[in-house]
Amino acid sequence: GAGVSQTPSNKVTEKGKYVELRCDPISGHTALYWYRQSLGQGPEFLIYFQGTGAADDSGLPNDRFFAVRPEGSVSTLKIQRTERGDSAVYLCASSFGTSRMAEQFFGPGTRLTVL
Amino acid sequence: GENVGLHLPTLSVQEGDNSIINCAYSNSASDYFIWYKQESGKGPQFIIDIRSNMDKRQGQRVTVLLNKTVKHLSLQIAATQPGDSAVYFCAAMDSSYKLIFGSGTRLLVRP
Repeated sequence: GAGVSQTPSNKVTEKGKYVELRCDPISGHTALYWYRQSLGQGPEFLIYFQGTGAADDSGLPNDRFFAVRPEGSVSTLKIQRTERGDSAVYLCASSFGTSRMAEQFFGPGTRLTVL
Repeated sequence: GENVGLHLPTLSVQEGDNSIINCAYSNSASDYFIWYKQESGKGPQFIIDIRSNMDKRQGQRVTVLLNKTVKHLSLQIAATQPGDSAVYFCAAMDSSYKLIFGSGTRLLVRP
């Protein structure tokens, strides 16, 4: 079956621009997570959705970062006024059910480069 | 909070040998741990997990050992194959249910 998909796979933008990254979770998965992975590091938690609501957004680094999931399926991570330090791979994961210990299935990520 | 680290950035093993990848965590309250495998250009893939009420768990060719006394976790891969070449991450779930990942160990399998 289809796994988690993320678009675009690569995004190059200029400092100060606005970007949107999209995540399509596995059908039926109610939980959705965003992570950021810098080069040579492990993923770093950003935000967790259960259904349409952000149940935990404590990992968002500042108010330039925002994520939505209006219909409880597709999610969009939005970054305003991008900075060079935002360059990283942004990973999305989804899981079934409400337990935070449920297995998370990761997408391939979007590589964001801010010039 | 939790802090997770892996002991070696790179591990090179001969095909057919066993591999052992180590990980240390800082928060004794962490009670759930996961090992992930990440191949180039892909997202992390779940390998095996373990809860703190266990000290060992086995899967297919993989074993995870948990030593809560010294806050240490290891992943053992039996009969390592070329397809096992990847970066391996351990992750610990902190008290606020966030997964905290270590920095990863790159496993290289020599033919």
